[in-house]
Amino acid sequence: GAGVSQSPSNKVTEKGKDVELRCDPISGHTALYWYRQSLGQGLEFLIYFQGNSAPDKSGLPSDRFSAERTGGSVSTLTIQRTQQEDSAVYLCASSASPTGTYEQYFGPGTRLTVT
Amino acid sequence: GDSVTQMEGPVTLSEEAFLTINCTYTATGYPSLFWYVQYPGEGLQLLLKATKADDKGSNKGFEATYRKETTSFHLEKGSVQVSDSAVYFCALTGGFKTIFGAGTRLFVKA
Repeated sequence: GAGVSQSPSNKVTEKGKDVELRCDPISGHTALYWYRQSLGQGLEFLIYFQGNSAPDKSGLPSDRFSAERTGGSVSTLTIQRTQQEDSAVYLCASSASPTGTYEQYFGPGTRLTVT
Repeated sequence: GDSVTQMEGPVTLSEEAFLTINCTYTATGYPSLFWYVQYPGEGLQLLLKATKADDKGSNKGFEATYRKETTSFHLEKGSVQVSDSAVYFCALTGGFKTIFGAGTRLFVKA
């Protein structure tokens, strides 16, 4: 079956512009996560959605970052007024379990470059 | 808060050598522990997991045992292959949040 998909795969934007990154999770997965992976670094948790519950936004680095998940499926991560330090690979993952004991399935990521 | 510490890389080994990548954690409660792998040009994928103390996860010749007394989940493989070259991430999940280690890059030479 289809895995997690993300679009675009690459995005180059100018400093100060807004960008939207999209994630399509595996059908039926109730949990959805966004992470950021900077060059040579580990994964930084950004935000977590579980079903229709309020998202856990504790990992968002600033108020320029926001995310929504429509209809419990597709999610969009928005970065406003991008900065060069926002350059990274943004990964989305989904899981069948709300408690995290099931594995997370990762998308291929969106590589964001802010010039 | 919860955290994961894994050995820094890169780790360079010859084919058929023994591999150990150390991982220790701090967590409240009883987290589940995972090893994820990222092969060159590919996305992260689960390698193995253990959900309670003394469980051993295994896959593709890799093993890791959930040691609560030492708060560790070291990854081992008896004989590595060139195709094992990748970045390996240790992770824990307590509740709904997953915390990842910084990753360890492994190079295996033929």
